[in-house]
Amino acid sequence: EPEVTQTPSHQVTQMGQEVILRCVPISNHLYFYWYRQILGQKVEFLVSFYNNEISEKSEIFDDQFSVERPDGSNFTLKIRSTKLEDSAMYFCASGVGVAGVETQYFGPGTRLLVL
Amino acid sequence: GNSVTQMEGPVTLSEEAFLTINCTYTATGYPSLFWYVQYPGEGLQLLLKATKADDKGSNKGFEATYRKETTSFHLEKGSVQVSDSAVYFCALTRNTGGFKTIFGAGTRLFVKA
Repeated sequence: EPEVTQTPSHQVTQMGQEVILRCVPISNHLYFYWYRQILGQKVEFLVSFYNNEISEKSEIFDDQFSVERPDGSNFTLKIRSTKLEDSAMYFCASGVGVAGVETQYFGPGTRLLVL
Repeated sequence: GNSVTQMEGPVTLSEEAFLTINCTYTATGYPSLFWYVQYPGEGLQLLLKATKADDKGSNKGFEATYRKETTSFHLEKGSVQVSDSAVYFCALTRNTGGFKTIFGAGTRLFVKA
């Protein structure tokens, strides 16, 4: 069964450093998402991406964040200058969005720790 | 705005007990409703879904019915197992203006042998 994959599974970085989190969505999906989950808290929407552009972003997704689909398979989240509070599990998701109904399939997550 | 409220945990049950985790939602339009499960140290797995009113989603013995009149999507299982111990998230996905998913806070379930 096709699945969303994410790399790396864990990343440790110093505050102020740039990180890139990578995702390979399911191949025929058209909608791509990033969510994050701070330890012990709820899963929060960051951004959705469709047709090579951001379709919606949350207030969390400020100028430090960017997303890109550099080729036909990868979908990346870049954090330009990490802060301690960016430490979280980051989930990528993808979906088809057929007939106005969407089911999102989530990757296993990347656990980011900012020191 | 759209939101999801689910019962606080943790919920602790003995094996073979009946499980209910309550979930209610607030939404404009007609969202799709989901339950996701997160096992310790793992990601989010889709457990079941319902896309319109009165639909029943079911999987692995779990069930939930989309009740528009009560704006609820309660998760039930007749006989839980130790392996069901996990965090369960109720969620809705808007079906207009983008497919942003909004999650409840999660309910941790412990099942004792």
